[in-house]
Amino acid sequence: QKEVEQNSGPLSVPEGAIASLNCTYSDRGSQSFFWYRQYSGKSPELIMFIYSNGDKEDGRFTAQLNKASQYVSLLIRDSQPSDSATYLCAVTGTASKLTFGTGTRLQVML
Amino acid sequence: DVKVTQSSRYLVKRTGEKVFLECVQDMDHENMFWYRQDPGLGLRLIYFSYDVKMKEKGDIPEGYSVSREKKERFSLILESASTNQTSMYLCASSFGTGAKNIQYFGAGTRLSVL
Repeated sequence: QKEVEQNSGPLSVPEGAIASLNCTYSDRGSQSFFWYRQYSGKSPELIMFIYSNGDKEDGRFTAQLNKASQYVSLLIRDSQPSDSATYLCAVTGTASKLTFGTGTRLQVML
Repeated sequence: DVKVTQSSRYLVKRTGEKVFLECVQDMDHENMFWYRQDPGLGLRLIYFSYDVKMKEKGDIPEGYSVSREKKERFSLILESASTNQTSMYLCASSFGTGAKNIQYFGAGTRLSVL
């Protein structure tokens, strides 16, 4: 069983809609959760991170944690074509390693 | 801004060659990581280091070695390159553990082994 799972997509949403990306994790001891965006041919860049104690909003992006069900979600409001990318979820406990999911490809349609 | 610099964007090598991939970070980060990324397989950790001269195996260390002689520099070595090591290689660095473990990535090196 993979430790961090994401639907590979593609997830297609129209411009201006809300995109909802999800990630499930297996380690109940996970304490920090990260969302990275990766454009085709580029390296991952951090969008948001949250701790185990709560959700976080930053502009059009909201990260939410459901500890009981062991999943993390990323909501992108007012989706733009420039949001089209692969979104990687990563989790960690107290160690220095991150465990990454394989990513969800998002397509925002004009 | 954190800067993680990988020495080459593209490399083409022949089977059996010894290959060095270099990574330098300028933020005095303790931790450095080497990943490879392949379609459908995501990011897979090869090796990481949490201090100078310290290294730990990741999920797929076979066929690779690493060197960290200085805090800012982490090298990945392919002792005898093989075609199945054709991949995108990504270096990352981070400051601490847990919540401080935001990893910053270099631009990546696309390695082709012929």
